[in-house]
This record gives sequence, structure tokens and C-alpha cells, in this order.
Amino acid sequence: TQTVSQSDAHVTVFEGDSVELRCNYSYGGSIYLSWYIQHHGRGLQFLLKYYSGNPVVQGVNGFEAEFSKSDSSFHLRKASVHWSDSAVYFCAVMGGSNAKLTFGKGTKLSVKS
Amino acid sequence: ETAVFQTPNYHVTQVGNEVSFNCKQTLGHDTMYWYKQDSKKLLKIMFSYNNKQLIVNETVPRRFSPQSSDKAHLNLRIKSVEPEDSAVYLCASSYSGGVNQAPLFGEGTRLSVL
Repeated sequence: TQTVSQSDAHVTVFEGDSVELRCNYSYGGSIYLSWYIQHHGRGLQFLLKYYSGNPVVQGVNGFEAEFSKSDSSFHLRKASVHWSDSAVYFCAVMGGSNAKLTFGKGTKLSVKS
Repeated sequence: ETAVFQTPNYHVTQVGNEVSFNCKQTLGHDTMYWYKQDSKKLLKIMFSYNNKQLIVNETVPRRFSPQSSDKAHLNLRIKSVEPEDSAVYLCASSYSGGVNQAPLFGEGTRLSVL
């Protein structure tokens, strides 16, 4: 069974601040991790993914995430946020040959100007 | 334009009616999915098809039935809607298993059951 946990329901920062959105997972085997963004009233947009190789992966719009097997984590970071980054961010996990993504509960990021 | 297209964007109906949602992808993917997103933004998979074959069927009420005519289309029918069916239904597609490419999503169909 694969599970994913996003500990922060809501994060508020100011424009230009850095931000880290936390994601922890549990699964016993090979794992595929990804982050998606959902703006209000829209569908999910893919940000980035990790399956193997370099644990730091770069995504769109300056986002990056770092995989840590020891911490069972895949935290999302951005060095300098913009007001347009305000959205709900979902971490997702897929284990082995499983054909389904399991999503976390989402973290709502509010960027104040 | 290559993407995942869903129709309609919104649908309002009454309890007991039948509704049908359409999804088409022009990405050449072989796997398609339906997810339900509730009012608390929680996302849960409902069905997954690979080359028109059902491969994932979560615990979903029997009034929900997916329909796939080919690998580019996956529709969702709800036979007799209930108030708890009010949600956003998201369609997605990917290559087999999604390991090599993340599932890409449509904009969703928002269903309101009165």
C-alpha cells in the first residue's frame, strides 16, 4: 500500500520569499513521485517527477524537489515565489507497476504582495 | 494542440438523472484515468484503462460506469446521480503505468447535483 502525507494544509508567504512544501510517503519498493499544481477552478498541471537518478529534480517555473530515501520525503521548493504561484499543490506517489497515482491532501500556498 | 480535453466543463442536474462525461486525449497515450475530487479537494482514482482494457477499478458505486471506444477516449456515465456525486471529475492520460511520463490532466467536469 502506498500512502502520501502533506503535513501543511496552508502555507502563507510574501512575494520574493522562498518556500518549501513538505511531502512524505510510504511504500516498500521502487517508487515514482510527482508534484502537481492546481489553480482555482482549473485542472491539475504537472510540475515535476522523480523515479531514479539525481535526487534533486527541476520543474517548471523555478520549482525543484529533492528525494530522500532515508527521510521518505519529496519536498518541493522555490527560491523566490511570485503572486501567481498561489494555488494548491499536490504531491503524488505511484508504486512499482501499479497503474494509479495516490495523492496527498494538498497544500494551499498563498503568496501575499 | 495536444492535450486532454473534457466536456462539459460544468453540469447541473437533479437527483436520479443520468449524466455522461466525455474525455479525449490527443497525446498518443495508451492509458487513461478518471479521478474524483471532492469539495475538500481530496483526489481519488476511480478507474484506469489501458488500450481500452479496464486495469484499475476502485471501490466505486455501481451507478458509475466507464466506457472506452478506443485508447484516445474514456467516457464516464453515472446512471442515477446522488447528492454525494457532486464533485469535480478529472480525466488524465499517460503511457503505460505512468512511470516514464507523468499523467497529464484535463480541466475537469464540475458536477452539481441538486
